[in-house]
Amino acid sequence: GENVEQHPSTLSVQEGDSAVIKCTYSDSASNYFPWYKQELGKGPQLIIDIRSNVGEKKDQRIAVTLNKTAKHFSLHITETQPEDSAVYFCAASIHGQNFVFGPGTRLSVLP
Amino acid sequence: SAVISQKPSRDICQRGTSLTIQCQVDSQVTMMFWYRQQPGQSLTLIATANQGSEATYESGFVIDKFPISRPNLTFSTLTVSNMSPEDSSIYLCSARQSDEQYFGPGTRLTVT
Repeated sequence: GENVEQHPSTLSVQEGDSAVIKCTYSDSASNYFPWYKQELGKGPQLIIDIRSNVGEKKDQRIAVTLNKTAKHFSLHITETQPEDSAVYFCAASIHGQNFVFGPGTRLSVLP
Repeated sequence: SAVISQKPSRDICQRGTSLTIQCQVDSQVTMMFWYRQQPGQSLTLIATANQGSEATYESGFVIDKFPISRPNLTFSTLTVSNMSPEDSSIYLCSARQSDEQYFGPGTRLTVT
């Protein structure tokens, strides 16, 4: 079955710097890759996703890139702010079925 | 997007008792799920709540311990039965619309 790895497990950046989180997946049939942000005491929130027919997607300060050949996808956050501090989870699925989540990355944005 | 609410948001329960968690979605959805999240860990799927039929459980989870109901397309319940301290966790309800999956705020359960 699908296996999703995520790196790094923790990441600290200075406010205003960029943050990059990378995930790799094992099943080449996976074609939908969402990213979730989970703040303390809250449920995971879908922040951006990408499908296998595109290589990059942007939404203001966040972007996701996908390399199907290498089977990895990355979350990029630019101009980080303290409110970006949270745990971020990537996931992979086939046509929105059987989501497999990565282990998470704890991002700390230092003022 | 789907907005999901859960009740209760947290509870402290005695060993050997049961707790039922309710999940309400603001729109009809095809699929609903229940996850468990241990502190500092990722999301573990407990089961898929099937409307009008028995839930589909993942390996390691059984119906006697985690009975699930889904009477319609917007509501589901998860019961944690005969609780032990090992059941202390966050329980998350989730719903899928098309490819996208959304989560509720979670129920933080502590078993003493």
